[in-house]
Amino acid sequence: AQKVTQAQTEISVVEKEDVTLDCVYETRDTTYYLFWYKQPPSGELVFLIRRNSFDEQNEISGRYSWNFQKSTSSFNFTITASQVVDSAVYFCALSEANTGGFKTIFGAGTRLFVKA
Amino acid sequence: DVKVTQSSRYLVKRTGEKVFLECVQDMDHENMFWYRQDPGLGLRLIYFSYDVKMKEKGDIPEGYSVSREKKERFSLILESASTNQTSMYLCASRIFSGNHNEQFFGPGTRLTVL
Repeated sequence: AQKVTQAQTEISVVEKEDVTLDCVYETRDTTYYLFWYKQPPSGELVFLIRRNSFDEQNEISGRYSWNFQKSTSSFNFTITASQVVDSAVYFCALSEANTGGFKTIFGAGTRLFVKA
Repeated sequence: DVKVTQSSRYLVKRTGEKVFLECVQDMDHENMFWYRQDPGLGLRLIYFSYDVKMKEKGDIPEGYSVSREKKERFSLILESASTNQTSMYLCASRIFSGNHNEQFFGPGTRLTVL
């Protein structure tokens, strides 16, 4: 069965600090996709990144970076030099190719507070 | 840009009422989804539709039904609302093309059932 665990319920940092959001997943499928979404206070989830199981390259996009490690089943998300606008709930998600990608499992989310 | 809209941001209904939540997307996406979001539980899939008039149960379909008569519109129906259906409801759409299977979400409807 597929499962996504975001152990950090809430994180509070001061602006300009670096912060890492953890995500651990479980799956029996060999082909799967991992995602991160951001949900700002407005409520609309915004897609940040997708990673497929064959691509373990880490990715950097501006202040955001992602570390995908199949050996530990983790897909962690780091924000460098955090800003107040980064305050949001962040969801990690997993979908397996054998479901046609139709059943995406979301973690419980991590609420990030960035204080000025 | 993909635009997914939901008919209401906030809705208050009484127990036993029939409730319709509407979702419209403007990008000709084949797949559409309804989730509910509850604190500590993340998003849970209620129903999805992979094409017009096609629907499949998700993980928590009990107490809900859906309708997809047109490609752009996916409706969630609560036949007889109950207090345990008080939640945030999120609609999403997706084009499934190779690896491009991220979902695009609407702003959500916060439903309160009294």
